[in-house]
Amino acid sequence: GAGVSQTPSNKVTEKGKYVELRCDPISGHTALYWYRQSLGQGPEFLIYFQGTGAADDSGLPNDRFFAVRPEGSVSTLKIQRTERGDSAVYLCASRRDAGELFFGEGSRLTVL
Amino acid sequence: ELKVEQNPLFLSMQEGKNYTIYCNYSTTSDRLYWYRQDPGKSLESLFVLLSNGAVKQEGRLMASLDTKARLSTLHITAAVHDLSATYFCAVDPNIGAGGTSYGKLTFGQGTILTVHP
Repeated sequence: GAGVSQTPSNKVTEKGKYVELRCDPISGHTALYWYRQSLGQGPEFLIYFQGTGAADDSGLPNDRFFAVRPEGSVSTLKIQRTERGDSAVYLCASRRDAGELFFGEGSRLTVL
Repeated sequence: ELKVEQNPLFLSMQEGKNYTIYCNYSTTSDRLYWYRQDPGKSLESLFVLLSNGAVKQEGRLMASLDTKARLSTLHITAAVHDLSATYFCAVDPNIGAGGTSYGKLTFGQGTILTVHP
């Protein structure tokens, strides 16, 4: 597709469950980013990949959060033992070289 | 820790009026973005400002950057209802060798703009 694609668009889960969120970046974009946007707030940086490796994961809130990008394209954000405070919209973005970031529509996670 | 502050956070305008949204930030950076977000939607890039004194205009919106004052402004001219949305500024503070940015943006809280007839 032409833009950054994220699935699922909505995910409702129960506290304690495991969740995976997927991001398919724009073709040819080497850098991929995950941000989290809580209600009424601006997005907050979680992790950034350059190619297959995580170049900066300083925004991941704790060790329940993990992300991979095994082939340098699609990325998966994994959340273990979800908590109600994890409820947010998870945004993925990609870019080519040092250009501007293009954001996907986001995955809205609700933890009951 | 980089702080990015927008004001106002809420802005109610009448159609046809002008107003300015301010974005202050706390660290050295010469790369700043403005985004628009409609309810339930993702972020739409409006402007990328890459140097001190940069000014960009698109339709009724104009953005500027003063890196010495660590201030960016988004000016709205003759507002129309279609401009109602939330506007975010975002600063990229990581300028590596050769001026490369890492894209690790810090966003402001957002300004919720409502334009009334």
